[in-house]
Amino acid sequence: DAKTTQPTSMDCAEGRAANLPCNHSTISGNEYVYWYRQIHSQGPQYIIHGLKNNETNEMASLIITEDRKSSTLILPHATLRDTAVYYCIVRTNAGKSTFGDGTTLTVKP
Amino acid sequence: EPEVTQTPSHQVTQMGQEVILRCVPISNHLYFYWYRQILGQKVEFLVSFYNNEISEKSEIFDDQFSVERPDGSNFTLKIRSTKLEDSAMYFCASSGRNSNQPQHFGDGTRLSIL
Repeated sequence: DAKTTQPTSMDCAEGRAANLPCNHSTISGNEYVYWYRQIHSQGPQYIIHGLKNNETNEMASLIITEDRKSSTLILPHATLRDTAVYYCIVRTNAGKSTFGDGTTLTVKP
Repeated sequence: EPEVTQTPSHQVTQMGQEVILRCVPISNHLYFYWYRQILGQKVEFLVSFYNNEISEKSEIFDDQFSVERPDGSNFTLKIRSTKLEDSAMYFCASSGRNSNQPQHFGDGTRLSIL
């Protein structure tokens, strides 16, 4: 499985953009990058995914570098409710998702 | 918006007893998964299931574990003889017609083994 590396923690001011980086240098050509978040012990919540093009939905934007070795999740206007652990995952074709330690994002007033 | 539902939200069981955790995936999804998260630890993959077969399983998913899709709506995880170390949150997930589609998770069942 392709391994991902994320910073342990980040802070962001409420209303500002939160930019969460992820390295996945061993990703293979047909593997997608997925982002999830987990608030307390709730189930992981899907945010966004992509293969090689940048993606945007109502929650966030995903920027993937041209060589696909890294990506950045952007929450354009962070709110206190966005405080969570954010996981960047590269998935196998069988669907196994390997969760790392993720990035603990703290949004501060 | 459709969601994955899991029951019960909390299950307390004596060590050595059998337990069945239940999940109702999103209705038109074809891929099903179980994960677990021991308190304070990472979310761990257990098993993936497609077309009535296990697609992939982890080392955790030993002979004590089994999965079943007994009808068109439910997806269950059975632990035959529970151990103290099986205490964890168990999350069910499902994804759509293509294995690359995102997995959607339920809110989990907290399993406590006494």
